[in-house]
Amino acid sequence: AQSVTQLDSQVPVFEEAPVELRCNYSSSVSVYLFWYVQYPNQGLQLLLKYLSGSTLVKGINGFEAEFNKSQTSFHLRKPSVHISDTAEYFCAVTLNTGNQFYFGTGTSLTVIP
Amino acid sequence: KAGVTQTPRYLIKTRGQQVTLSCSPISGHRSVSWYQQTPGQGLQFLFEYFSETQRNKGNFPGRFSGRQFSNSRSEMNVSTLELGDSALYLCASSQLTNTEAFFGQGTRLTVV
Repeated sequence: AQSVTQLDSQVPVFEEAPVELRCNYSSSVSVYLFWYVQYPNQGLQLLLKYLSGSTLVKGINGFEAEFNKSQTSFHLRKPSVHISDTAEYFCAVTLNTGNQFYFGTGTSLTVIP
Repeated sequence: KAGVTQTPRYLIKTRGQQVTLSCSPISGHRSVSWYQQTPGQGLQFLFEYFSETQRNKGNFPGRFSGRQFSNSRSEMNVSTLELGDSALYLCASSQLTNTEAFFGQGTRLTVV
């Protein structure tokens, strides 16, 4: 069975400070990894994805994530956050059998002015 | 290129009624998936359709059903609504398997 664990449900951080949102997954087969962001009353927007190749993945809005197979982690980072980054962030995985996403429970990022 | 369109955006229904939600995927996308999002359970997969065939199904009761038309548009139906069905229902479309999914803004269903 597949599962995704987001270790922090809430992360407050001051504006212009760095942030890391943690994600671990468990799967007996190879997975594909994604980070999505959700603003209030909106759908999900893709930040970045790891399908294969370089383990350091760069996404939109200055976010990046590193795939660590040995630690089964895919942590999301940003060196300097802005107020506009306040949102809910979801880590997700899919298998090679279709487009079924397994989502973590989400991390609420609050950027403090 | 238009995004994923879900209609309606908001819906209020009474217990016992049924409801149909609609999703128009991005042009050229053949895969459409549905998710239920609630504060308590988070994002849960309902089902995926690919070229009019249900390819994957989540762990939901049979009251939840869906279909996909030849133009890839999809509908989701919930019969005999329960209070616990109140949620944000998200539709996502994908062009190929294991590429990113593009999500619509969702339909907020409230059951009273």
